Amino acid sequence: DAKTTQPPSMDCAEGRAANLPCNHSTISGNEYVYWYRQIHSQGPQYIIHGLKNNETNEMASLIITEDRKSSTLILPHATLRDTAVYYCIVLNDYKLSFGAGTTVTVRA
Amino acid sequence: DTAVSQTPKYLVTQMGNDKSIKCEQNLGHDTMYWYKQDSKKFLKIMFSYNNKELIINETVPNRFSPKSPDKAHLNLHINSLELGDSAVYFCASSQDWGDEQYFGPGTRLTVT
Repeated sequence: DAKTTQPPSMDCAEGRAANLPCNHSTISGNEYVYWYRQIHSQGPQYIIHGLKNNETNEMASLIITEDRKSSTLILPHATLRDTAVYYCIVLNDYKLSFGAGTTVTVRA
Repeated sequence: DTAVSQTPKYLVTQMGNDKSIKCEQNLGHDTMYWYKQDSKKFLKIMFSYNNKELIINETVPNRFSPKSPDKAHLNLHINSLELGDSAVYFCASSQDWGDEQYFGPGTRLTVT
């Protein structure tokens, strides 16, 4: 299984962009990278996913390196409501395997 | 109009009891899942059903039995509850395998 490595925590100023890194050096050619987040006491929420190309939606942007060994989730204008645990996951055998994630704290 | 709902939200029970958690999705999805989040906050998949058929069954004690009466429902029955079963259980659904999953609000199970 392709595993991911994320920093345990990071702080971000409200209104600024938050860049969340993720390493997945053992990813296979057909495995997607998914990002979810979990706000305290809630169920996880899907953010975005990608294979090779960079992706953008109303929530975030996903930048995947050309060798696909790492990616960055970008929250363009972080708000206090973006405080959550962010999970970077490589989809393997259609299963999501959640790691420890990155605890992101957005500060006013 | 909640997309994925679970009942109950909280469940406190004694060791040895049998309990059920219900999950319903109104998204028209074909695939549903059960996850367990333990005290260390790690979220692990337990089961997955696709079109009412069991697709994924991780290493889960056979005291846990999922039941899917139809595509919109996936209930979790737990027999002979143990202290270690205390956790938050999340139901999720997706249109198909590999698609983005939508999670319910969770059921906090406490076994005393």
